[in-house]
Amino acid sequence: DIQMTQSPSSLSASVGDRVTITCRASQSISNYLNWYQLKPGKAPRLLIYAASSLQSGVPSRFSGSGSGTDFTLTISSLQPEDFATYYCQQSYRTPWTFGQGTKVEIK
Amino acid sequence: EVQVVESGGGLVQPGGSLRLSCAASGFTFSSYWMTWVRQAPGKGLEWVANIKDDGSEKYYVDSVTGRFTISRDNAKNSLYLEMNSLRAEDTAVYYCARGGAPRGREDYWGQGTLVTVSS
Repeated sequence: DIQMTQSPSSLSASVGDRVTITCRASQSISNYLNWYQLKPGKAPRLLIYAASSLQSGVPSRFSGSGSGTDFTLTISSLQPEDFATYYCQQSYRTPWTFGQGTKVEIK
Repeated sequence: EVQVVESGGGLVQPGGSLRLSCAASGFTFSSYWMTWVRQAPGKGLEWVANIKDDGSEKYYVDSVTGRFTISRDNAKNSLYLEMNSLRAEDTAVYYCARGGAPRGREDYWGQGTLVTVSS
């Protein structure tokens, strides 16, 4: 199975901060990398697909980059509604696998 | 508006069975792969299974292979997950999601249904 490793596992940040989360795959997955946002009690939300494509309706402060094994999710100016847990996912080969998650908390 | 709504969760004893359902609306269900993903308490997301739009291909995570069966009824716009020989480690919120084709993504998710396996 392809292992996905996110860092950091958690971070504290303030409203307006620039936040970067990284995701590393155990082998090359080209650009078949998605990012999701989870909030307690709510449906998960797709933010970025194919490493860098912004899902419709997602604010432009979210962006993704990378290919091969190394990827990043950037939030350019953190907003109050962005405090959540973020997951990367590879869809290159079954079983699709997720990173362990990065919890973004209020500083 | 695209919607997927899960149902069927509950408390079941180890070794028991449960059938989850997912009702889809707002899109042409028969044109999309569909996926089940779960989240155990305090843990991260785990992909469980997916099924092709016409039901001809199905894939499972190893830990559920032989115990869980994913299926769909395109006439009823519904996705199912039949879960047998349930174990404590299957306790989780189970999410239904649209999408999941190889090299694709899951773009709409439900709010999940909780399955608790305990005596």
